[in-house]
Amino acid sequence: NAGVTQTPKFRILKIGQSMTLQCTQDMNHNYMYWYRQDPGMGLKLIYYSVGAGITDKGEVPNGYNVSRSTTEDFPLRLELAAPSQTSVYFCASSREGGNQPQHFGDGTRLSIL
Amino acid sequence: GENVEQHPSTLSVQEGDSAVIKCTYSDSASNYFPWYKQELGKGPQLIIDIRSNVGEKKDQRIAVTLNKTAKHFSLHITETQPEDSAVYFCAATSNTGNQFYFGTGTSLTVIP
Repeated sequence: NAGVTQTPKFRILKIGQSMTLQCTQDMNHNYMYWYRQDPGMGLKLIYYSVGAGITDKGEVPNGYNVSRSTTEDFPLRLELAAPSQTSVYFCASSREGGNQPQHFGDGTRLSIL
Repeated sequence: GENVEQHPSTLSVQEGDSAVIKCTYSDSASNYFPWYKQELGKGPQLIIDIRSNVGEKKDQRIAVTLNKTAKHFSLHITETQPEDSAVYFCAATSNTGNQFYFGTGTSLTVIP
């Protein structure tokens, strides 16, 4: 049971570089989410998707973009990396939205120097 | 939007003692309250959840209580073991919303 898989696990970027964080799930879940986790701050929602072709902003979307071309994949794009984007990024999925449990990947630790 | 507060931020207990973590929420429309455990280097894992139509739920050594009137819910871990050491997060959401609102986490250390 793979669940939610995130790649890479670690990455160091220079300021101004771009990269894509990959997320895939094999549970046929409709909803997918991207969070960032900063020390002592809990998890903040960046973007979410309720199904293929549909995405929406969360609490902290600035500096990020997403796409959802398939049910399985939900990549997160950083276009111009900034030090403030140094964080641990988690992808999650759920069968439906609202009051359904979310299943998380093991995260991507990203440092912007 | 919803605001979830979690206390304490750190908690140390002796092995075998009980641990209690408390969360409050602000939006009366919230009706689903999951608890997640996060071990070092891993993603959060759901350990128990409760919906607003019940006041308490138990799963072996773990229990969650909900007081809708006061808008607070708590995680209770009994007979703690070293493997319970982790960061615990509470969250709140409603069935009309697509966003979970997370507390800031509690780092639990169980001392052998």
